Amino acid sequence: GEKVEQHESTLSVREGDSAVINCTYTDTASSYFPWYKQEAGKSLHFVIDIRSNVDRKQSQRLIVLLDKKAKRFSLHITATQPEDSAIYFCAASKNYNQGKLIFGQGTKLSIKP
Amino acid sequence: EAAVTQSPRNKVAVTGGKVTLSCNQTNNHNNMYWYRQDTGHGLRLIHYSYGAGSTEKGDIPDGYKASRPSQENFSLILELATPSQTSVYFCASGEDWGGAYEQYFGPGTRLTVL
Repeated sequence: GEKVEQHESTLSVREGDSAVINCTYTDTASSYFPWYKQEAGKSLHFVIDIRSNVDRKQSQRLIVLLDKKAKRFSLHITATQPEDSAIYFCAASKNYNQGKLIFGQGTKLSIKP
Repeated sequence: EAAVTQSPRNKVAVTGGKVTLSCNQTNNHNNMYWYRQDTGHGLRLIHYSYGAGSTEKGDIPDGYKASRPSQENFSLILELATPSQTSVYFCASGEDWGGAYEQYFGPGTRLTVL
């Protein structure tokens, strides 16, 4: 079945630097790629997504890049802040409005002062 | 504000017992989902629903049943709980808005099966 692999299980960056989290997917029919954030002891919430008709999307300090040929997508967090510390999950779906998501394993991002 | 609530928040069950996890959403979303979260696996989809009366199998449905009696409520049922079902369970509801599809997650239920 379809898999989404998240390459970094943990990531530590200094406050103010950029963080990059990478994911790959196996199903070429995947067309929708959201990212979710889970702060310590809390539930998940949506942060940003990208659809396969574009290769870059930015929302404030968050940038998502999509390389369909390599079946790879990444989340870039610029000018990191302490509140960016969390677990980030990438996901993929073939039909975005059905919401049947395949999640990666999660990356725990720590921002060092 | 979108709201998804789950009950109970914590549950200890015995092997072979029946467990029902409940989820309520006030978002009026058609789609609802049950996931479990385990270290090293991320979130895995157990069952989902497109509306009242409908349930669909997700990626790991074995040992679980689901029920969607109304737009607002979606339950996950473990008829014969096993220790391997010890996990954190999340319910979510989903909505398509302006080209994005966002799932709103509940706070989670920590289930321990002894």
